[in-house]
Amino acid sequence: DGGITQSPKYLFRKEGQNVTLSCEQNLNHDAMYWYRQDPGQGLRLIYYSQIVNDFQKGDIAEGYSVSREKKESFPLTVTSAQKNPTAFYLCASSPSRLAGATQVNEQFFGPGTRLTVL
Amino acid sequence: KNEVEQSPQNLTAQEGEFITINCSYSVGISALHWLQQHPGGGIVSLFMLSSGKKKHGRLIATINIQEKHSSLHITASHPRDSAVYICAVGDFGNEKLTFGTGTRLTIIP
Repeated sequence: DGGITQSPKYLFRKEGQNVTLSCEQNLNHDAMYWYRQDPGQGLRLIYYSQIVNDFQKGDIAEGYSVSREKKESFPLTVTSAQKNPTAFYLCASSPSRLAGATQVNEQFFGPGTRLTVL
Repeated sequence: KNEVEQSPQNLTAQEGEFITINCSYSVGISALHWLQQHPGGGIVSLFMLSSGKKKHGRLIATINIQEKHSSLHITASHPRDSAVYICAVGDFGNEKLTFGTGTRLTIIP
């Protein structure tokens, strides 16, 4: 079945350690996104990538890093520089619009990873 | 930057009731999305609309572009509809979404 997978579902790390969250999609989508969700707040965009080997910072990129070496994969690293890393992290993908196209694309979400830093 | 507000924040209703959740935004958009998040955390896209009205089963979404307002309706609500419903708006020219804080819906049998 086509979809987005995130692993693991729950992740615990000690303060000061870097941790990498996995996101894989087999939908052949060009664009991929990482969001963070905190209680009482809307999802906030961390990083996004519209094509392989290219990515842009979102609204809250500080303390995070990403790579996009393959179309299917968009891993997120939470570094020790992120002051409040405990959160629920969601990955999403969408078909990317061609330049000049007006069609808006739906985003498809993964199941999420709940990260707790102790 | 677009500001997205949802109301109510929490809604509890009896099974069978007609449900309305509202979303307003501050700046013109390319499209509005309604999403459903279940207790496990996964998010499912319900609707994406840029004008008028869409219907899927017992769910209906409407949008008024002039008033910058959208509503999500659930007819004949059922306990399995209990979830957080999230409104998100897309900016012109890119794929970025701005999200509301969600409406937690609880349907009591």
